[in-house]
Amino acid sequence: NAGVTQTPKFQVLKTGQSMTLQCAQDMNHNSMYWYRQDPGMGLRLIYYSASEGTTDKGEVPNGYNVSRLNKREFSLRLESAAPSQTSVYFCASSFDGDNEQFFGPGTRLTVL
Amino acid sequence: GENVEQHPSTLSVQEGDSAVIKCTYSDSASNYFPWYKQELGKRPQLIIDIRSNVGEKKDQRIAVTLNKTAKHFSLHITETQPEDSAVYFCAPRATGSDYKLSFGAGTTVTVRA
Repeated sequence: NAGVTQTPKFQVLKTGQSMTLQCAQDMNHNSMYWYRQDPGMGLRLIYYSASEGTTDKGEVPNGYNVSRLNKREFSLRLESAAPSQTSVYFCASSFDGDNEQFFGPGTRLTVL
Repeated sequence: GENVEQHPSTLSVQEGDSAVIKCTYSDSASNYFPWYKQELGKRPQLIIDIRSNVGEKKDQRIAVTLNKTAKHFSLHITETQPEDSAVYFCAPRATGSDYKLSFGAGTTVTVRA
């Protein structure tokens, strides 16, 4: 099993460009999450999907949109990238909200 | 939302000594208390967790203790080894929070050989 996979691993964007970060899990998990990690600030939840067909905002949703494409895949879209969105983005999944979250390898995004 | 504080922010210990990290939270409805470890350049991984009906849990060299009255829980690492060098995050979760973990800012632990 690959666990949680993310693409791309690295990305450089110019201000105003758009892009989609992809996340997939092969553990038959119901819940999926997107976090961003900035130095000294831990991980902050952007959006989450408690189950297929549902999505909800987390702590820092502004400037992002998500799509739970199916049970396996959960994508994060930046419509108009800003330098403040420079960060490392982690996708995670869990069987349900009461269980361990498994993280993907992360995407390092730089917005110039 | 939940306010989470971790102390200390950095910790340097001699190999073989013990390390203790404390996490303080604000929401008295919190009922799940995990600790994650993140090695440099890697993803966070769960190392131990505890639920509100248990006061202490051990797994080999690591343990977590919970004081719900005082609203804090702690990670204890004994007989530290170089591979324990990492950033550690607490992430309490409150009931009714709809699965949302609230991560602390992290504690950087360095084990000196």
